Amino acid sequence: QKEVEQNSGPLSVPEGAIASLNCTYSDRGSQSFFWYRQYSGKSPELIMSIYSNGDKEDGRFTAQLNKASQYVSLLIRDSQPSDSATYLCAVNMFSTASKLTFGTGTRLQVTL
Amino acid sequence: DAGITQSPRHKVTETGTPVTLRCHQTENHRYMYWYRQDPGHGLRLIHYSYGVKDTDKGEVSDGYSVSRSKTEDFLLTLESATSSQTSVYFCAISELAAYNEQFFGPGTRLTVL
Repeated sequence: QKEVEQNSGPLSVPEGAIASLNCTYSDRGSQSFFWYRQYSGKSPELIMSIYSNGDKEDGRFTAQLNKASQYVSLLIRDSQPSDSATYLCAVNMFSTASKLTFGTGTRLQVTL
Repeated sequence: DAGITQSPRHKVTETGTPVTLRCHQTENHRYMYWYRQDPGHGLRLIHYSYGVKDTDKGEVSDGYSVSRSKTEDFLLTLESATSSQTSVYFCAISELAAYNEQFFGPGTRLTVL
């Protein structure tokens, strides 16, 4: 079992729709959770951080964390073509403090 | 890129030659990390540093060494480059281990022929 799992996609959504990206993790003691956006040929860019159960909203982005079920998700409202990228989930696991474990990413395509 | 630069940005080298990649930060962050990114594998940690002269191995450290003599610089050395080390290398920095928000440099694309 991978420590951080994401569906590789591509996830295709029409412009204006809600994109839902999911991530599960194996270490129940994990404390910090992050979403990075990576455009092709570029470096990962941190877009959301979440540390406690529930929802955290920032503009069109909402991160959701459920520690009991060991999943974290990212919702993108009013998806735009510029949101087309690979989204990486990263987890700061209790067992590997000060290091992040990354999923392999979900490729999102927003179609016109 | 949060005050992080990497050099060189592109490099082509031959098998068996030593290669050093440099990461430089202006944020005075304590933690620095080296990752490689390959298709199908995602980002994998090579080495990281939690202070000047304090370093530790990541999950794919074989064939790599690091040094950190100043807060702002973190060097990654491939002792004798192999074709399997062809990859994109990213440096990242973080201020606090507890929350560990990491910010990435622009990357170095390394090709070993």
